[in-house]
Amino acid sequence: DAGVIQSPRHEVTEMGQEVTLRCKPISGHNSLFWYRQTMMRGLELLIYFNNNVPIDDSGMPEDRFSAKMPNASFSTLKIQPSEPRDSAVYFCASSLGGNSPLHFGNGTRLTVT
Amino acid sequence: AQRVTQPEKLLSVFKGAPVELKCNYSYSGSPELFWYVQYSRQRLQLLLRHISRESIKGFTADLNKGETSFHLKKPFAQEEDSAMYYCALLNNTDKLIFGTGTRLQVFP
Repeated sequence: DAGVIQSPRHEVTEMGQEVTLRCKPISGHNSLFWYRQTMMRGLELLIYFNNNVPIDDSGMPEDRFSAKMPNASFSTLKIQPSEPRDSAVYFCASSLGGNSPLHFGNGTRLTVT
Repeated sequence: AQRVTQPEKLLSVFKGAPVELKCNYSYSGSPELFWYVQYSRQRLQLLLRHISRESIKGFTADLNKGETSFHLKKPFAQEEDSAMYYCALLNNTDKLIFGTGTRLQVFP
């Protein structure tokens, strides 16, 4: 198993552009999480899905952020329009749900200039 | 409020010294707590969980409900323990809440 796969690994974009981050969870995992990591705030949960349904999106910073999970093997996190303060590492993680441990992807390092 | 606090951003020790990474939590229910670790150039991964009462790589963590703490300890630090450590709490909606992390540096 290749684990949770995220793409791209690095993204550099200009302010105002749309950014789409992608995630493929581990096959069979029914929970998927999007986290943002910054030096100041550590790991913040943005949104999580259970069986492809968004359960809690209270961590999504604002309307510029949106996430989808069209099927059990794919999720996207979109930022439109992007701003410099969105620069961070974005992690996707999946699990079997409940208190099962999270399996993280390698993250996407986003830089918005 | 549900919160995990790791008061130290950086902890530096010499090899062989004892290590304690502090974690305090705020949660009204019965908490499930975890420690995750991120070694350089590796993925964030589970280190241990309090319900397992296990020792992983020499690390242990005891849940102290009176002090609302879940400190991570190791009696003799090794250089390969250098990493970023995150304490996390699982709430009753299966939401994993992380602390801000502590970077452990172990010098030779």
